[in-house]
Amino acid sequence: DIQLTQSPAFLSASIGDRVTITCRASQAINSYLAWYQQKPGKAPKLLIYAASTLQGGVPSRFSGSGSGTEFTLTVSSLQPEDFATYYCQQLNTYPLTFGGGTKVEIK
Amino acid sequence: QVQLQESGPGLVKPSETLSLTCTVSGDSIIGDYWGWVRQPPGKGLEWIGSIYYSGGSNNRGSSNYNPSLKSRVTISLDTSKNQFSLSLHSVTAADTAVYYCARMGVWSSADDWGQGTLVTVSS
Repeated sequence: DIQLTQSPAFLSASIGDRVTITCRASQAINSYLAWYQQKPGKAPKLLIYAASTLQGGVPSRFSGSGSGTEFTLTVSSLQPEDFATYYCQQLNTYPLTFGGGTKVEIK
Repeated sequence: QVQLQESGPGLVKPSETLSLTCTVSGDSIIGDYWGWVRQPPGKGLEWIGSIYYSGGSNNRGSSNYNPSLKSRVTISLDTSKNQFSLSLHSVTAADTAVYYCARMGVWSSADDWGQGTLVTVSS
């Protein structure tokens, strides 16, 4: 199985901060990576697929980059509704695996 | 806009079979990939498996499962009801989780999700 390692596991930030989350894959996955946002008690929401393509309706302050084994999710200016847990998922090889998650909290 | 809704028992006894159904509205289940993801309380996401059905009387669909569950899991479709189902056999307390059904996009990302249903394994 392809392992995904997210860092940091926990992030404390303020409104307006630029935030970057990293996802590293145990082997190359081209651009087959997605990012999700999950709020407590809710289903995950797809933000980005194909490493950098924004899902419809997702604010442009979210962006993704990377290919191969290293990927990043960036929030250019953190808003109150962005405090949540973020997961990456590799889409290259079955089984489709998720990273361990990054919880973004208010400083 | 596609909508997904999970249904099934919220409590299952150890060693029994967990059975959940996902009812899809706003889209036909034919021609798309559909999957299941679970999340133990307070923990991360785990992909269970997915199924694809292109249609045709001789086509039963193709499925992929997480090897960690493969010997215990089956995902099936009911095109007449526009539903797909999850069966997980011989459950233990470790299978206690919120189970989500999802529509998978062209890139295999989970584009649309059900609200999730908590299944507790306990006697």
